[in-house]
Amino acid sequence: SSELTQDPAVSVALGQTVRITCQGDSLRSFSASWYQQKPGQAPILVIYGKDKRPSGIPERFSGSSSLNTSSLTITGAQAEDEADYYCNSRVITGNPYVVFGGGTKLTVL
Amino acid sequence: QVQLQESGPGLVKPSETLSLTCSVSGDSFSTYFWSWIRQPPGKGLEWIGYISYAGTTNYNPSLKGRVTISIDRSKNQFSLRMSSVTAADTAVYYCASFSSGSYSRFDYWGQGTLVTVSS
Repeated sequence: SSELTQDPAVSVALGQTVRITCQGDSLRSFSASWYQQKPGQAPILVIYGKDKRPSGIPERFSGSSSLNTSSLTITGAQAEDEADYYCNSRVITGNPYVVFGGGTKLTVL
Repeated sequence: QVQLQESGPGLVKPSETLSLTCSVSGDSFSTYFWSWIRQPPGKGLEWIGYISYAGTTNYNPSLKGRVTISIDRSKNQFSLRMSSVTAADTAVYYCASFSSGSYSRFDYWGQGTLVTVSS
């Protein structure tokens, strides 16, 4: 399958830790990247290569991967982390291409 | 730092061709692949395709046949053409840089432009 599956919604209490997951066969071969999107804004890259953070992304964002599942963890979630989160990876089905997960809406309570 | 800016008509009639251009600033135009991604209102992200600096393209199979991405190296721009549009093509269209390889990712994004397909 070339799909990436995410839970539609997740919530976390302010200051607690939350894990957002992404499942798909392509993740056995390719690392996931993760994007944060706030309402009315373009997505921004927060994690790539399973666990790498671009410059400017807070250390509370981390990534991990096991078998066909990649995870984005926010340790000590802040109010400003409330957003939609999308995973992404390459797939190879015929010609190699790119797919996004359906997105997870994170609510910080 | 790479900056991207989409431009083009915000309204397209059904059955016509959608055309958008992405202007890239910075010295990295030859470094990345260049991609289009769209997001229908209230929905998730959909990858449309990408083009390399050399002009090699790759498209989402679900859109193949309707989509063409081209590049103008003299202007640091790349463009999207999507033919035979319908209301289902109404979306915010983003251009983005794409790093290929083991750690593939969309590093930089434009602000997005809303394209509405309506008569």
